[in-house]
Amino acid sequence: DAGITQSPRHKVTETGTPVTLRCHQTENHRYMYWYRQDPGHGLRLIHYSYGVKDTDKGEVSDGYSVSRSKTEDFLLTLESATSSQTSVYFCAITGREGSNTEAFFGQGTRLTVV
Amino acid sequence: GEDVEQSLFLSVREGDSSVINCTYTDSSSTYLYWYKQEPGAGLQLLTYIFSNMDMKQDQRLTVLLNKKDKHLSLRIADTQTGDSAIYFCAESRPGGYNKLIFGAGTRLAVHP
Repeated sequence: DAGITQSPRHKVTETGTPVTLRCHQTENHRYMYWYRQDPGHGLRLIHYSYGVKDTDKGEVSDGYSVSRSKTEDFLLTLESATSSQTSVYFCAITGREGSNTEAFFGQGTRLTVV
Repeated sequence: GEDVEQSLFLSVREGDSSVINCTYTDSSSTYLYWYKQEPGAGLQLLTYIFSNMDMKQDQRLTVLLNKKDKHLSLRIADTQTGDSAIYFCAESRPGGYNKLIFGAGTRLAVHP
């Protein structure tokens, strides 16, 4: 593993509640990403960050917000969880030695919204 | 994942070669990747190829790229049971960050 820790690994939450997922890296990579994985869709980008306090939207950003107050931490928040956000969420990092070529992924967080 | 397509399932006998295919649509893609996902795990970067290359070999893995047809393949020689996993093809689009577009994944089943 490339020094990426996601927490929690599993979570069950009720519709309408806020949820925050955490990604922590020890690699000092510049870029961090949140993806969701759903059957038949592969992984789709939710949001990404290109530095502290610098974030931007991906292709499926509706219903999600992110924050990055430190280089090592990237938080994904579901303000009001819906059943359509039941998914496996992966954090990724790039930027090793200034290169964005290789993306390394965390172990994933399985989120179930009931 | 509509921009990157893969067949969903492949079954091979242990010891045979596996070939997993992928097609993509964006001719501006800079890198093309193969990731492996084992059950309950994250994605492991297997290999990648720069878009101006035709072939890359890394031990049992051979990547072939046909840029004209936008076709990418991953060949695994001497396939083992430990190779059973889901394999994702992904393309990288130009930009300041690494924008990866994934296929839906090919589940490889290796049987004795």
